[in-house]
Amino acid sequence: QKEVEQNSGPLSVPEGAIASLNCTYSDRGSQSFFWYRQYSGKSPELIMFIYSNGDKEDGRFTAQLNKASQYVSLLIRDSQPSDSATYLCAVNAGNTPLVFGKGTRLSVIA
Amino acid sequence: ETGVTQTPRHLVMGMTNKKSLKCEQHLGHNAMYWYKQSAKKPLELMFVYSLEERVENNSVPSRFSPECPNSSHLFLHLHTLQPEDSALYLCASSQGVGQTTYEQYFGPGTRLTVT
Repeated sequence: QKEVEQNSGPLSVPEGAIASLNCTYSDRGSQSFFWYRQYSGKSPELIMFIYSNGDKEDGRFTAQLNKASQYVSLLIRDSQPSDSATYLCAVNAGNTPLVFGKGTRLSVIA
Repeated sequence: ETGVTQTPRHLVMGMTNKKSLKCEQHLGHNAMYWYKQSAKKPLELMFVYSLEERVENNSVPSRFSPECPNSSHLFLHLHTLQPEDSALYLCASSQGVGQTTYEQYFGPGTRLTVT
């Protein structure tokens, strides 16, 4: 059974700080990794994806992938109250649809 | 806007009613999905269609019946639902299924309440 684990939170950070969201996965064959943001009552929105070990930066967001340790993380620099949402990690192992984690709720305190 | 639309956005139905949810994608994708998201629960994958063929059915009760007439449209037919079926129903699409780079794009969802 392929599993994607996330701490449900809430993770509270002050405005302007770095928020660090972590995700671990069980299937060593996983090859692509996605981060979605979901505001309360809304649908998930794709914000980043990463396929290779290392870091990938996009504006204030950085995705980090370590396949040997089977974890992927999302860093949000200069956190804003508008970043407050649930962040879903999703993993693709090839022949199956994405497997989603339960999500981490982030709260950015002004 | 992600290019995936869903109607209706809100639906209230009794347990004896029959209704349908509609999803349409304008992205030229070949795969479409139905998810259920209940309060404080993770996304539950219900059905997957690839090129109009159902490729996955995750033990969903028969009171939910999907239909995919073409690669742009997906329906979820509902009948004799239970109150515990009240949830946000999300449609998603992707370029395909089975390749590692296929990200999914979600529609806005239908908020379903069963009374």
